Amino acid sequence: DTGVSQNPRHKITKRGQNVTFRCDPISEHNRLYWYRQTLGQGPEFLTYFQNEAQLEKSRLLSDRFSAERPKGSFSTLEIQRTEQGDSAMYLCASSPWTGGTDTQYFGPGTRLTVL
Amino acid sequence: GQNIDQPTEMTATEGAIVQINCTYQTSGFNGLFWYQQHAGEAPTFLSYNVLDGLEEKGRFSSFLSRSKGYSYLLLKELQMKDSASYLCAVPLNSGYSTLTFGKGTMLLVSP
Repeated sequence: DTGVSQNPRHKITKRGQNVTFRCDPISEHNRLYWYRQTLGQGPEFLTYFQNEAQLEKSRLLSDRFSAERPKGSFSTLEIQRTEQGDSAMYLCASSPWTGGTDTQYFGPGTRLTVL
Repeated sequence: GQNIDQPTEMTATEGAIVQINCTYQTSGFNGLFWYQQHAGEAPTFLSYNVLDGLEEKGRFSSFLSRSKGYSYLLLKELQMKDSASYLCAVPLNSGYSTLTFGKGTMLLVSP
């Protein structure tokens, strides 16, 4: 299966700790997106990359959040000094952007619980 | 900015037809997506509409009216496995790619 994969699938951490999530997009997809989803809500956009360039960041992405895609393939999302409000499902998606509107394909997500 | 409205919950019976509505307000329109999301799983792409009219894909069809800011997803011959959340999404103003999602419509299919 060559879909989007995310690791870990679940993460439980204590408030104040740092966490890092990894996303492996569909091979050859040049765009990679991060979203956050809480219970009963739709996904909310956080940031996205085209190849290794981070093109846009949402206002939701505080200074404690940082994302990288160093070689234009996999990406990492790090949250420093986690807070209970960071508890959510973190979704990654990728797309084969060639211009205009493209279809995004989502991974299974990483569920973060901050105690 | 974007504003997307969908009903919170719907119920239907196996074998029936259900229509899930979505209304949106955007300053620019670049198409509308429907995704299906089972509990605890990733959203799965169902359809993309950019022109007015109905697009049929098996048991699922999606309709768009740009002048009314309205779309619906039509599910026919409902099956138990169709119980899921259905998300309506439109691209954000700032570009074509980043999506704004509605809160989703939770569909419960009963026997």
